Amino acid sequence: GAGVSQSPSNKVTEKGKDVELRCDPISGHTALYWYRQSLGQGLEFLIYFQGNSAPDKSGLPSDRFSAERTGGSVSTLTIQRTQQEDSAVYLCASSKQIGQATDTQYFGPGTRLTVL
Amino acid sequence: KQEVTQIPAALSVPEGENLVLNCSFTDSAIYNLQWFRQDPGKGLTSLLLIQSSQREQTSGRLNASLDKSSGRSTLYIAASQPGDSATYLCAVISGTYKYIFGTGTRLKVLA
Repeated sequence: GAGVSQSPSNKVTEKGKDVELRCDPISGHTALYWYRQSLGQGLEFLIYFQGNSAPDKSGLPSDRFSAERTGGSVSTLTIQRTQQEDSAVYLCASSKQIGQATDTQYFGPGTRLTVL
Repeated sequence: KQEVTQIPAALSVPEGENLVLNCSFTDSAIYNLQWFRQDPGKGLTSLLLIQSSQREQTSGRLNASLDKSSGRSTLYIAASQPGDSATYLCAVISGTYKYIFGTGTRLKVLA
């Protein structure tokens, strides 16, 4: 079956431009997560969706970052007025539901963002 | 604040060796712990998930153990192969969804 997909796989942009990153979760997965992996650092949690609502946005680094999810499926992470420090790999994951002991998150291949 | 540390940061071994990767965490109140591998330019592949009530999990040549009281987990890889070369990430699940990752161990298995 299809896994988590992300697009684009690579994005190069100029400082100050806005970018949109897309995530298609596994069909039927109600939970969706965004992470960021910066060079030399571990993955850091950004935001989590349960259905279309985002109960936890605590990881978003600034108000330039926002995310939405529509129809309980596709999610878009938007970064406005990009800065060079936003350069990283942005990973999306989905899971069937939260609160289950055996629930696991399935990760997409990521979008590599480079801000010049 | 939960912090996850992985040692060593990098490891290079000849093919066939048994090896141990270490993961330590500062807050023992965890939900689950999971080991992943990440290949260059790829996403994360789940290897083993250990629930907080479990002590270990095994899959093929991989064995992961969990000692919550001491804040440690180890991933044991038996008879390593060049195809095992990847970055191995440990993630602690606090609460029911928030994954907190270590910075990983970059493993290279030489043929």
